[in-house]
Amino acid sequence: KAGVTQTPRYLIKTRGQQVTLSCSPISGHRSVSWYQQTPGQGLQFLFEYFSETQRNKGNFPGRFSGRQFSNSRSEMNVSTLELGDSALYLCASSFQDYNEQFFGPGTRLTVL
Amino acid sequence: GNSVTQMEGPVTLSEEAFLTINCTYTATGYPSLFWYVQYPGEGLQLLLKATKADDKGSNKGFEATYRKETTSFHLEKGSVQVSDSAVYFCALLPTGGGADGLTFGKGTHLIIQP
Repeated sequence: KAGVTQTPRYLIKTRGQQVTLSCSPISGHRSVSWYQQTPGQGLQFLFEYFSETQRNKGNFPGRFSGRQFSNSRSEMNVSTLELGDSALYLCASSFQDYNEQFFGPGTRLTVL
Repeated sequence: GNSVTQMEGPVTLSEEAFLTINCTYTATGYPSLFWYVQYPGEGLQLLLKATKADDKGSNKGFEATYRKETTSFHLEKGSVQVSDSAVYFCALLPTGGGADGLTFGKGTHLIIQP
């Protein structure tokens, strides 16, 4: 069974731009969560989608948004990029809840 | 709020040494507890979990016991290998679900020397 895939693996953007990251969950998984990982703040929860609906949301500004498609693939978007948005963005999928989450390799975003 | 505290390291050990990585948590009720491992350039992998007090999670020689009385979930391994070098994250899922997702500790960087 293929694992969670994330594209692209690396991104370089400049301040003010916007970016879209993609996540394909494990086949059959309906829940997709996104996390931001930085050296200073560690792993922080962004949001979770389940069956195309945002079910939970972390404490991030509205510049961070996401969506989920009918095939469970998910995208997250960050608008008006700031230097502090530089991070590894991890996507995790599970069948239904958080008790068995499988993580992708992440997308490394660098904002210059 | 919920929080997880773990030593950040780096923790450096020789091969075949005994490993303990401490993890303590703050949460109401009975959260589920997890250990994840992250190898260089990769995402997180679930190493083991425990969902109720006194449960012991185990996998690949690693063990951790859910201690409600000390709010701890320390990770142990009897004999580490060079291939165990990675970053280890302790995490919790609050009772009743994850409106805030999983809460992670800052991670412990483990280095095993041959």
